Amino acid sequence: AQKITQTQPGMFVQEKEAVTLDCTYDTSDQSYGLFWYKQPSSGEMIFLIYQGSYDEQNATEGRYSLNFQKARKSANLVISASQLGDSAMYFCAMREATTDSWGKLQFGAGTQVVVTP
Amino acid sequence: KAGVTQTPRYLIKTRGQQVTLSCSPISGHRSVSWYQQTPGQGLQFLFEYFSETQRNKGNFPGRFSGRQFSNSRSEMNVSTLELGDSALYLCASSLAGGLETQYFGPGTRLLVL
Repeated sequence: AQKITQTQPGMFVQEKEAVTLDCTYDTSDQSYGLFWYKQPSSGEMIFLIYQGSYDEQNATEGRYSLNFQKARKSANLVISASQLGDSAMYFCAMREATTDSWGKLQFGAGTQVVVTP
Repeated sequence: KAGVTQTPRYLIKTRGQQVTLSCSPISGHRSVSWYQQTPGQGLQFLFEYFSETQRNKGNFPGRFSGRQFSNSRSEMNVSTLELGDSALYLCASSLAGGLETQYFGPGTRLLVL
């Protein structure tokens, strides 16, 4: 079963506008971590932001913030003031704190973001 | 601090050959994970090594193997290459493979002809 669901295959956003990328997850574990990564066309996966399941505050990193709704199992990424360099594929990922998940990130299918001038 | 490095960056092989990819983690990181990324299957976990031991393995055939050295550098090997092995292979390192962040290298693009 799919553990991470990203329902938006792609989206256009205008420069300087905010954009929200959706992510829902499925786990029965109490302890887990949620991550967002950005992958430009070059291929490298760039870490953006992390939210732990026990964190009460929503994570923020510069222009990135994570809207964490635990009861809904939702971890949406918000990018404020989009820039042309934000054009990339964005992946939501989860790591469960079980021994059979050592070192294993489970990724969603990704959302392709294109920022237009 | 230097990031994760992967060599080679690009590779072209033919069916039936074998290939070895290398990954050097961030200094101090002891966990190395490998992922395969294809347009059809997305990002899939291959395996994870910690302190020279494979701790976890994804659902891949035995043709895919890896190892980790005492300096935490890791290699993965694919034997008897198939066309479907064409992919971007990404390596990621973290301190201990727990819930801390994994940092990725630039990847190795493998094309099998």
